[in-house]
Amino acid sequence: SYELTQPLSVSVALGQTARITCGGNNIGSKNVHWYQQKPGQAPVLVIYRDSNRPSGIPERFSGSNSGNTATLTISRAQAGDEADYYCQVWDSSTERVFGGGTKLTVL
Amino acid sequence: EVQLVQSGAEVKKPGESLKISCKGSGYSFTSYWIGWVRQMPGKGLEWMGIIYPGDSDTRYSPSFQGQVTISADKSISTAYLQWSSLKASDTAMYYCARHSGLTTGYMDVWGKGTTVTVSS
Repeated sequence: SYELTQPLSVSVALGQTARITCGGNNIGSKNVHWYQQKPGQAPVLVIYRDSNRPSGIPERFSGSNSGNTATLTISRAQAGDEADYYCQVWDSSTERVFGGGTKLTVL
Repeated sequence: EVQLVQSGAEVKKPGESLKISCKGSGYSFTSYWIGWVRQMPGKGLEWMGIIYPGDSDTRYSPSFQGQVTISADKSISTAYLQWSSLKASDTAMYYCARHSGLTTGYMDVWGKGTTVTVSS
């Protein structure tokens, strides 16, 4: 089965850039999607197909995907960006797969 | 406005059956896949399965195959997730989510979740 690996936590200073990685075997050949989940709320799609932002998502959120690593980048991090972030792909063996999630802390 | 409205919280005993629902509105319900995602207390997201209400084509994650049943009633734009015999380990938050497609699709609209508590 296909597995996605994310760091448990990432910290970023207010106003700086946060990068959250998602590792998987040849993940660069797959479409990667990213979700933000704040405490007590449902997940929200923030990036789809590697680097596309849904309407309403700030330009500060961006994504890239190459080789064995996909990355979600949050520029000019704000306190309101504190959340859990999950990457997700589709794999023929397991259908949809989520990474384990990364807790972003804005200091 | 596109939205998914889920049924309310449930408290059940082990061995009981349960069916929770997810009603779509604001879009063509039969044209998008709808899936279910589990989140156990303090844990991450787990994809359970998906259904296409247009023809009831259903797919399951290997982890959930045989453990739950996903169905839909297109006449009332509602998808369901059901258990025939609940276990304490089914205690979790369950989200429904609209999928943009079968394979490369992403989940662009989410319900607010249904809390299921299974306890004797």
